[in-house]
Amino acid sequence: KAGVTQTPRYLIKTRGQQVTLSCSPISGHRSVSWYQQTPGQGLQFLFEYFSETQRNKGNFPGRFSGRQFSNSRSEMNVSTLELGDSALYLCASSPQTVNTEAFFGQGTRLTVV
Amino acid sequence: DAKTTQPPSMDCAEGRAANLPCNHSTISGNEYVYWYRQIHSQGPQYIIHGLKNNETNEMASLIITEDRKSSTLILPHATLRDTAVYYCIVRRLGGTGANNLFFGTGTRLTVIP
Repeated sequence: KAGVTQTPRYLIKTRGQQVTLSCSPISGHRSVSWYQQTPGQGLQFLFEYFSETQRNKGNFPGRFSGRQFSNSRSEMNVSTLELGDSALYLCASSPQTVNTEAFFGQGTRLTVV
Repeated sequence: DAKTTQPPSMDCAEGRAANLPCNHSTISGNEYVYWYRQIHSQGPQYIIHGLKNNETNEMASLIITEDRKSSTLILPHATLRDTAVYYCIVRRLGGTGANNLFFGTGTRLTVIP
């Protein structure tokens, strides 16, 4: 079974631009969560989607948004990029929302210059 | 979700057992203890989870105290590839956002040859 796939792996953007990151969950998994990891703040939860609906959202500004498609693939978008958005963005998939382990992808490393 | 406390770092000799403690004194009756690890620049990897009984799988053992206020992750024969940051997470059973994982600062385990 293929794991969680995140694309692209690396990305460099300039301040003010927007970026879209993609996550393909494990086949059959319907829950997708996104996390941001920075040296200063560690791993922080962004949002979770299940069956195309956002189920939960972390404490991030509205510039961070996401969506999930009918095939469970998910995208997250960051608009008006700031230098502080430089981070490793991780996606995790789970079969369902109730107390199951989450499988993480390798992440997308975003650098904002 | 209950907060956890872990030592920031630990060393372990290769081949010996690594015992990683976690304090979760405010854990509720419906909250599980989960352990993940993150090897440098990779996505977190699920290790094990439990509610109140001790658990064992092919990777590790989880020992939860009778009052459930603390737990210990045991890697029985540590190898150099076990060098990673280990996160102890407490999360509640069911509900929305069940895959919303709150990662603390974790314990950086270094396995020494």
